[in-house]
Amino acid sequence: EPEVTQTPSHQVTQMGQEVILRCVPISNHLYFYWYRQILGQKVEFLVSFYNNEISEKSEIFDDQFSVERPDGSNFTLKIRSTKLEDSAMYFCASRAQVNYEQYFGPGTRLTVT
Amino acid sequence: LAKTTQPISMDSYEGQEVNITCSHNNIATNDYITWYQQFPSQGPRFIIQGYKTKVTNEVASLFIPADRKSSTLSLPRVSLSDTAVYYCLVALRASGGSYIPTFGRGTSLIVHP
Repeated sequence: EPEVTQTPSHQVTQMGQEVILRCVPISNHLYFYWYRQILGQKVEFLVSFYNNEISEKSEIFDDQFSVERPDGSNFTLKIRSTKLEDSAMYFCASRAQVNYEQYFGPGTRLTVT
Repeated sequence: LAKTTQPISMDSYEGQEVNITCSHNNIATNDYITWYQQFPSQGPRFIIQGYKTKVTNEVASLFIPADRKSSTLSLPRVSLSDTAVYYCLVALRASGGSYIPTFGRGTSLIVHP
């Protein structure tokens, strides 16, 4: 069964550093998402991406965040200058069509020290 | 501000039916309601999705009333391996007026022998 993959599984970085989280969505999917989950809390939407542009974003997704689909397979989330409160699990998801289910990756645990 | 509401936790025993309800006011009229299961340190896993009335698949049923302001996930004959956190996911109106994917806070289900 096809699956969403994410790398790295765990990233440790110092406050103020830039990080790039990588995702490979399922190959024939058209809609891509990033979510985050702070330890012990619910999953929160960050951004959705379709047709090479952001379609929706939440209040969390401020100027420190950016997304990119640099080639036909990867989908990346960049945090320009990390803060302690960015420590969380970051999940990538993709779906084939609107109103189809989203498939989630295993997540990247980001720890900012 | 639109939000979702789910019970924080539920307890059950093996072989029983479990029903988890999510309330979601201001849901987008054209979006589906989706339920996910999450185990610790893993990404959410799709269970079932519906738009209205009743949907059933091999693992669960989903009941959605006509006003779509709530949905109930029904797990028949739970087993120990169903111990997990269950989330509803709907598109809700954000403060900026757009609709964004919004997870409930999750219901922690513990199944006892």
